[in-house]
Amino acid sequence: DGGITQSPKYLFRKEGQNVTLSCEQNLNHDAMYWYRQDPGQGLRLIYYSQIVNDFQKGDIAEGYSVSREKKESFPLTVTSAQKNPTAFYLCASYRQGARNTEAFFGQGTRLTVV
Amino acid sequence: AQSVAQPEDQVNVAEGNPLTVKCTYSVSGNPYLFWYVQYPNRGLQFLLKYITGDNLVKGSYGFEAEFNKSQTSFHLKKPSALVSDSALYFCAVRVPPGRTDSWGKLQFGAGTQVVVTP
Repeated sequence: DGGITQSPKYLFRKEGQNVTLSCEQNLNHDAMYWYRQDPGQGLRLIYYSQIVNDFQKGDIAEGYSVSREKKESFPLTVTSAQKNPTAFYLCASYRQGARNTEAFFGQGTRLTVV
Repeated sequence: AQSVAQPEDQVNVAEGNPLTVKCTYSVSGNPYLFWYVQYPNRGLQFLLKYITGDNLVKGSYGFEAEFNKSQTSFHLKKPSALVSDSALYFCAVRVPPGRTDSWGKLQFGAGTQVVVTP
C-alpha cells in the first residue's frame, strides 16, 4: 500500500535525552513536513523539505533537527534543548505539481517526557 | 508572512442543519487553500482544495468551500450536517512556487471543533 508511515505511534523519553521520530513515504512525493500539535494550538510547522539534502526551518524549529538524505525519509530528532517536547507530532508529504498538490499525513507519533 | 485564521474555536450544529466553518487567510499572490479533518489521535484527512478556477469547490463527504478573493476567505460548508461530521477541522494555505523564499510552506489555522448533536 502506498502511504506515509510514522513510527513509533507512542514514544516515551526521559528528560535530557534525544529521541528520533521516523517518517517514511512511498508516494514518490518531493516535499515533506513536520508539525507539532498541542491542544488548542493547532498545527505548528517545525521543519519542511522541498528536495533531498535541503530543508528549511518552520515556525518552531528550536530544539529540533532533521535530515533529508533520501527522498522517502524525513526523520525528526527532538533534542534535549527542546524544553517542552510532550506533544503529538505529525509528518506530511506532497508531490509538487499543478494538480497533485494536497498533502498526505501520517498517523502521528505521541511523544511523552517522563 | 502568510497566516491562516479560524475565528471560531467550536461550532455547534444540530444534525440536518447547515454547517459552516470559517477561514480567512493572509498571503501574497494567489494561494493554494486546503481543508482537512482530524479525528481523535489520528492524522489529518484531506477534504478539498482550491488551486485555481471555479470559486466553489466540492470535496469529500458532501463538503464544499467557496473561495472569495476580495474577502480573503475560504469557508467550509455542508448543507446538512451528520453526527459523524463531529471532528476537528483545519484550514491551510500554501504559497505557490516562485513567489517568495517561503514557497511551499504549508501553514495551518488553529482548528475548529465541530460538534453535531442528534
